[in-house]
Amino acid sequence: EDQVTQSPEALRLQEGESSSLNCSYTVSGLRGLFWYRQDPGKGPEFLFTLYSAGEEKEKERLKATLTKKESFLHITAPKPEDSATYLCAVQASSSNTGKLIFGQGTTLQVKP
Amino acid sequence: NAGVTQTPKFRILKIGQSMTLQCTQDMNHNYMYWYRQDPGMGLKLIYYSVGAGITDKGEVPNGYNVSRSTTEDFPLRLELAAPSQTSVYFCASGLTGTMTSEQYFGPGTRLTVT
Repeated sequence: EDQVTQSPEALRLQEGESSSLNCSYTVSGLRGLFWYRQDPGKGPEFLFTLYSAGEEKEKERLKATLTKKESFLHITAPKPEDSATYLCAVQASSSNTGKLIFGQGTTLQVKP
Repeated sequence: NAGVTQTPKFRILKIGQSMTLQCTQDMNHNYMYWYRQDPGMGLKLIYYSVGAGITDKGEVPNGYNVSRSTTEDFPLRLELAAPSQTSVYFCASGLTGTMTSEQYFGPGTRLTVT
């Protein structure tokens, strides 16, 4: 069964304290792995798509990496405005309908 | 572009009532999706559509129904509301192709059934 697990469930950082969020996945062939940011009371906002092991993508203080079993979202020198829930999702290569399987998310709080 | 819009933002239903959650996208995406999000549970797919006139069940379809008469609109119908349907509902759209398959989400509808 295709599955996505994110850890930790919650993470508290001081401003400037770098860390990483983990997304472990089990899927019968990976078509793509997606990272989203979700602010309270809002819909998920697309951040990155990763397609193959070894791929990396960056956006401001965020960098996403991908291996054959997991993805990391590295946050460098975070600021309070980076506080949000970060969602990971995968699309299986067997799916031609864009269906995504989501993890439960990691809630990040960055204190000034 | 407004992207994906959803109405209403909030709704309280009594057990047994029915309602329709509206979703519209102006990006000319062929694929549309309905998810529900419960605390600590992630997003679960309810129904999806790959184009006008074509819909299919997702992971948790029971108690819901959909239709897709146009590319832009994808309403979700709740019949005989139950407390288990208390959740936040998100509509999403995407232009799934060979490589690009990210989904874009609306702001959500928070539904309470009492």
